[in-house]
Amino acid sequence: GEDVEQSLFLSVREGDSSVINCTYTDSSSTYLYWYKQEPGAGLQLLTYIFSNMDMKQDQRLTVLLNKKDKHLSLRIADTQTGDSAIYFCAENRGGGADGLTFGKGTHLIIQP
Amino acid sequence: DAGVIQSPRHEVTEMGQEVTLRCKPISGHNSLFWYRQTMMRGLELLIYFNNNVPIDDSGMPEDRFSAKMPNASFSTLKIQPSEPRDSAVYFCASSLLGEQFFGPGTRLTVL
Repeated sequence: GEDVEQSLFLSVREGDSSVINCTYTDSSSTYLYWYKQEPGAGLQLLTYIFSNMDMKQDQRLTVLLNKKDKHLSLRIADTQTGDSAIYFCAENRGGGADGLTFGKGTHLIIQP
Repeated sequence: DAGVIQSPRHEVTEMGQEVTLRCKPISGHNSLFWYRQTMMRGLELLIYFNNNVPIDDSGMPEDRFSAKMPNASFSTLKIQPSEPRDSAVYFCASSLLGEQFFGPGTRLTVL
């Protein structure tokens, strides 16, 4: 199966919270990342979490990590139209110096 | 800081031609990565360098692909000869302590 799995689409109403989920398979992953990609653009690093952490919060973004279940989530509070993009989960297995393994991305669709 | 710089931003070429993509990493970063993004396969790691030395090139699809990093501020990815299935967006990224920052990408179209 895939190393990193994500749902393809998520639709939320403007102002609600968005929760994007990701599962990974390699328990040796040391860093886990969330990237945002807008149409025709590159990948913007939103946040990342080290594997010895359970949670990280940065303004509207909250990352939760459940190492036992190999589950990572990204919560976006007060979702705005500007949050419409593809969100990629990625894992790094080599202590931060290796290449990343990406999921296929979740398309976040904002309803007015 | 200007971020990771890639050139060209767009490249259209004909099958069989040589293509060279260029990347300037963020100053002070010691790791550089080349990725490819396609609709079918998503984002794939092609090769990465630590301190200018290639560490893992297992993602390079074929011998037609080669990458170099002659110094800490410059890297190239070359495809010779190019084929239509090489059409994709090629990203370069750099890092120092685990955070990987991506360039804007080069959109390659091989006719």
